[in-house]
Amino acid sequence: GESVGLHLPTLSVQEGDNSIINCAYSNSASDYFIWYKQESGKGPQFIIDIRSNMDKRQGQRVTVLLNKTVKHLSLQIAATQPGDSAVYFCAENLSGTASKLTFGTGTRLQVTL
Amino acid sequence: EPEVTQTPSHQVTQMGQEVILRCVPISNHLYFYWYRQILGQKVEFLVSFYNNEISEKSEIFDDQFSVERPDGSNFTLKIRSTKLEDSAMYFCASSEETLVRFGPGTRLLVL
Repeated sequence: GESVGLHLPTLSVQEGDNSIINCAYSNSASDYFIWYKQESGKGPQFIIDIRSNMDKRQGQRVTVLLNKTVKHLSLQIAATQPGDSAVYFCAENLSGTASKLTFGTGTRLQVTL
Repeated sequence: EPEVTQTPSHQVTQMGQEVILRCVPISNHLYFYWYRQILGQKVEFLVSFYNNEISEKSEIFDDQFSVERPDGSNFTLKIRSTKLEDSAMYFCASSEETLVRFGPGTRLLVL
């Protein structure tokens, strides 16, 4: 039968506000995490990464927080802009060396003017 | 900034036909990957390739799939006999170590 697409959770944010996108990862052995942004029809674009020996990492307008106790990752975007509208995926890497990434379901961020 | 490139951007094929998707990874990267994304779904790992051999593959990557690095710059994914359910975006990716960079994708449509 026809496969049904996932219903992505959607976060709607006003331009200029801060956005927080959450992700629950599955494997406690994962030790490297990446946030990707995907615009319609394009490939995943790297935003920021974090290793499991850290609980926070900051980039330009973005911050990733890692809570290993509850296996939770969040991406904070400061002063959200219309160009931030996209689907955001977290991905986990089990081995810590180059290996496969396991992607989360994704969250659609809609920035309203 | 160097990018992963992929060709073609779109491919339409008949069921049962062979397709080859092509990629040029970032030049100093050592690890190469193929992922796919069925419309509306999440990105799924297919295969990783290092030192001229497959290092890991998923259950999706069955005998119909193969990868090759025919020369020093290209990395290809071949699907021998396409099925309707192979219709998806196929992303090539590469990394120096853990930071994986993705290409723009090839949209494959199997009719």
